Amino acid sequence: GAGVSQSPSNKVTEKGKDVELRCDPISGHTALYWYRQRLGQGLEFLIYFQGNSAPDKSGLPSDRFSAERTGESVSTLTIQRTQQEDSAVYLCASSLRRDPNRSDTQYFGPGTRLTVL
Amino acid sequence: AQSVSQHNHHVILSEAASLELGCNYSYGGTVNLFWYVQYPGQHLQLLLKYFSGDPLVKGIKGFEAEFIKSKFSFNLRKPSVQWSDTAEYFCAVGGSGGSYIPTFGRGTSLIVHP
Repeated sequence: GAGVSQSPSNKVTEKGKDVELRCDPISGHTALYWYRQRLGQGLEFLIYFQGNSAPDKSGLPSDRFSAERTGESVSTLTIQRTQQEDSAVYLCASSLRRDPNRSDTQYFGPGTRLTVL
Repeated sequence: AQSVSQHNHHVILSEAASLELGCNYSYGGTVNLFWYVQYPGQHLQLLLKYFSGDPLVKGIKGFEAEFIKSKFSFNLRKPSVQWSDTAEYFCAVGGSGGSYIPTFGRGTSLIVHP
């Protein structure tokens, strides 16, 4: 398909385990964003990748969270030593970064629902 | 840094009622404004956006939003809702310079009864 895909769609893990979430952006989209959405809350920005530039990690809530992206393709978000408060839907979005002076329309994936027991 | 406030967290309407969802933002530069919608079981998708020009923006499915600079608002409206408009609606604000990563509001859950 041509949209953003994420895997797994659901992940249940035990407290203290590490998890890896994957995002496949739309081909040709240079920008990639990770957000977290807790129940009843808005989207909380986590990290942003743009081309080969250094990622903007300003939204990562702790050093247990990290993310990588290879070039302009797949990204993985890793949460180490998961805690119950990490339970949320993790959304990935991608965009074309045409104009550096404007925000882009973002294209979102279906999300990964993470439950930490 | 920008911020967004959506006043209504839950709205319940009957079909054919008029809709207005509030969105207020805080941002000091040239602002870009978005409304996204998430229908049940679907991805978040763009409903409409404002960058510049006519402050009344028309989007998909009969939705519109008006940018009122003096009120820092970007309210979403639809004159007559349908059952299929049941969804979660998110307002987002971004802008020029280092603020191009949009900040999202908490969202408004809209339920339309047939």
